[in-house]
Amino acid sequence: DAMVIQNPRYQVTQFGKPVTLSCSQTLNHNVMYWYQQKSSQAPKLLFHYYDKDFNNEADTPDNFQSRRPNTSFCFLDIRSPGLGDAAMYLCATSRDRAIRGYTDTQYFGPGTRLTVL
Amino acid sequence: QKEVEQNSGPLSVPEGAIASLNCTYSDRGSQSFFWYRQYSGKSPELIMSIYSNGDKEDGRFTAQLNKASQYVSLLIRDSQPSDSATYLCAVAVYNQGGKLIFGQGTELSVKP
Repeated sequence: DAMVIQNPRYQVTQFGKPVTLSCSQTLNHNVMYWYQQKSSQAPKLLFHYYDKDFNNEADTPDNFQSRRPNTSFCFLDIRSPGLGDAAMYLCATSRDRAIRGYTDTQYFGPGTRLTVL
Repeated sequence: QKEVEQNSGPLSVPEGAIASLNCTYSDRGSQSFFWYRQYSGKSPELIMSIYSNGDKEDGRFTAQLNKASQYVSLLIRDSQPSDSATYLCAVAVYNQGGKLIFGQGTELSVKP
């Protein structure tokens, strides 16, 4: 089945120790998104790639970076995790950003739960 | 005012009843609306999308959109205990790069 895969599912890191989260997709979608969801809060978009074009949200901290080496893979790098970065990190994909003028549907991976000690 | 607002709940309904989940949004430029279901500790799962005013039905689920009132709702008929989850309303504005603005979610509990 075509799907969105995230690894690892659970990640524990120490305060200030860099961490990388991985997302891969077999849907051949052009767009890949990274969302942060803290406990009992709504998912919040950090950034997205439209093909190789990186689009950062204005309020995303510089501590968060992303790489997309090819269509299938996208990485989220947290350079110096703080306690406030503990959250579920969700990768989502869509075929395009908009289809016939309407925002295209986004499909989420299972998420990576990050714990910062 | 929050961009997308939902009652946080919990909304409790008996098994077999109709659950009604509501969402309001502030940006009149919004043109795409999505309902996601999220079980505790899991990722959001798409239930349905709606783009035009009126009703859209898919099995036991019906989405209703009223752009004039800036209101979108989700009805779940014949609610089952397996429907117990948090339901997220997501709204997108055209030409915003596909950005979804999510509400806080409504927690639904279906009692056997």
